[in-house]
Amino acid sequence: QKEVEQNSGPLSVPEGAIASLNCTYSDRGSQSFFWYRQYSGKSPELIMFIYSNGDKEDGRFTAQLNKASQYVSLLIRDSQPSDSATYLCAAPFGGGYNKLIFGAGTRLAVHP
Amino acid sequence: DGGITQSPKYLFRKEGQNVTLSCEQNLNHDAMYWYRQDPGQGLRLIYYSQIVNDFQKGDIAEGYSVSREKKESFPLTVTSAQKNPTAFYLCASRTTGGGYNEQYFGPGTRHTVL
Repeated sequence: QKEVEQNSGPLSVPEGAIASLNCTYSDRGSQSFFWYRQYSGKSPELIMFIYSNGDKEDGRFTAQLNKASQYVSLLIRDSQPSDSATYLCAAPFGGGYNKLIFGAGTRLAVHP
Repeated sequence: DGGITQSPKYLFRKEGQNVTLSCEQNLNHDAMYWYRQDPGQGLRLIYYSQIVNDFQKGDIAEGYSVSREKKESFPLTVTSAQKNPTAFYLCASRTTGGGYNEQYFGPGTRHTVL
């Protein structure tokens, strides 16, 4: 059974700090990962996709993938109260990108 | 505006009753998905369809049925066999081929069993 694990949180950080969200996965064959942000009561929206070892940066967001250790992380620099949401990690399974398996999500709270 | 619409936004179902959730997309996407999100949990796949008139079960298909008669539409029926009391149902779609092609989500239907 392929699994994607996340700490449910909440992760509380002060405004302006770096928030670090982590995700571990059980399938060594997993090659790529998605990070979705979900505000309370809303649907998820994609914020990052990463498919190679190392870092990928997009504005204040950096995704890091370490295939040897089987974890993927999301760093949010200069955290803002508007970043307060649940962050879902997801990995494709079953070949191609047709199906995703989601972690339970980490709730992030950024306080002023 | 291109996007995914779901209706109703809120759904209250009596025990023993079947209900159908609507999902429509005008993005010309080939693949469509239904997920259920239980309180404080991640998304679990109910059914998905990659082409008209074809669909596959996901991890939690019991108590649900779907159809895909049109490319734009992928309705989900929640039958009386589905005992989960409260859940958030999310429909998604994506184009296929040519790379990772993210899944886009509709606004969701919040479902409660009375």
